[in-house]
Amino acid sequence: EDQVTQSPEALRLQEGESSSLNCSYTVSGLRGLFWYRQDPGKGPEFLFTLYSAGEEKEKERLKATLTKKESFLHITAPKPEDSATYLCAVQPGGNEKLTFGTGTRLTIIP
Amino acid sequence: DAGITQSPRHKVTETGTPVTLRCHQTENHRYMYWYRQDPGHGLRLIHYSYGVKDTDKGEVSDGYSVSRSKTEDFLLTLESATSSQTSVYFCATQTHSYEQYFGPGTRLTVT
Repeated sequence: EDQVTQSPEALRLQEGESSSLNCSYTVSGLRGLFWYRQDPGKGPEFLFTLYSAGEEKEKERLKATLTKKESFLHITAPKPEDSATYLCAVQPGGNEKLTFGTGTRLTIIP
Repeated sequence: DAGITQSPRHKVTETGTPVTLRCHQTENHRYMYWYRQDPGHGLRLIHYSYGVKDTDKGEVSDGYSVSRSKTEDFLLTLESATSSQTSVYFCATQTHSYEQYFGPGTRLTVT
């Protein structure tokens, strides 16, 4: 059974204080690992897809990395507008279903 | 943005009544999904569709049915709503590169 565990559940940072969110996973033959951002009252917003260990993707202050067992979402010099819940999901090969983690709620304090 | 709309956006209904939620997409994506999101559980797959009239169950399908008569529309029906089905429901579509894009959600309250 595919499993995704995200940590920490919640994280409070001062503006400009860099940190990382963790997504640990077990999946039979990874097709892709996906990161989403979700603001309160809205649907998840797609951020990145990572397909293989060693791959990295960047977007503004966010950088996602992937190993065979986990993915990290690094946030560099965050701003208050980066406050959101960040979700991680995995999709096994040959399967069109995603398994989601429960997310990390990130708060950036001005 | 995959051009996904959901209706209604909010609904309050009574226990035992049938409820239908609608998802409409404008991108002609083959795959469409229905999820529910609850505190502590994250997003869980209810049903998904891989083409017109082709559907399959997800991990929490009991009490729900779906239909897809056109590529652009995917309906979720709660046959007899229960309080445990109070949740936020999201529709999603999947691109050719396996990225799923989500609609704005429907908040359903069953009293």
